[in-house]
Amino acid sequence: EVQLLESGGGLVQPGGSLRISCAASGFSFSTYAMNWVRQAPGKGLEWVSTVSGGGGTTHYADSVKGRFTISRDNSKNTLYLQMNSLRAEDTAVYYCAKGGATIYYFDYWGQGTLVTVSS
Amino acid sequence: EIVMTQSPGTLALSPGERATLSCRASQSVSSSYLAWYQQKPGQAPRLLIYGTSSRATGIPDRFSGSGSGTDFTLTISRLEPEDFAVYYCQQYGTSPSWTFGQGTKVEIK
Repeated sequence: EVQLLESGGGLVQPGGSLRISCAASGFSFSTYAMNWVRQAPGKGLEWVSTVSGGGGTTHYADSVKGRFTISRDNSKNTLYLQMNSLRAEDTAVYYCAKGGATIYYFDYWGQGTLVTVSS
Repeated sequence: EIVMTQSPGTLALSPGERATLSCRASQSVSSSYLAWYQQKPGQAPRLLIYGTSSRATGIPDRFSGSGSGTDFTLTISRLEPEDFAVYYCQQYGTSPSWTFGQGTKVEIK
């Protein structure tokens, strides 16, 4: 059974930094691209970032480019998102999502971790 | 960037009725690149349909997807109580990037 468990969310001041994690199990982690998708309170879904299975290729939404860094440790089956220069508009539930057989869709999602940016 | 527009914003139906949800892209989208997700309150999204019409693992056959080009549809043939939720379409675009529609809420009438 595929399981994705996010952690590390919390309250951070504007301009601050936070790293969130996603522990994966139940599948061959290094085989699949992994993704972060966020959802602001009461709003829709927004793709944030993607990393290839080997970790060598990354992609970012324009809204976070230059501030967020996605990475993975395949020896620990863990995905990370380092978030710097946080803004109020980054407040959201951050979901970890596994890439499907192709990168075009996300077939399993974690339960999310809430990041709140506020003074 | 391709913009995905879903309609209607809210669909009020009774259990047993047919639901038809629309997703329109601002430019043509490959059928391989279109997916649908269901999200219930307080829960993570769940993949329903990928590649426009392929059901994900464990998804009942009352859910079906169709469409091509710029117009795509998710149909729920007979609504069950557990189907009342928000539904999102999503497309994969070159860059690459992934874009979601704003969602359609299916609520009980």
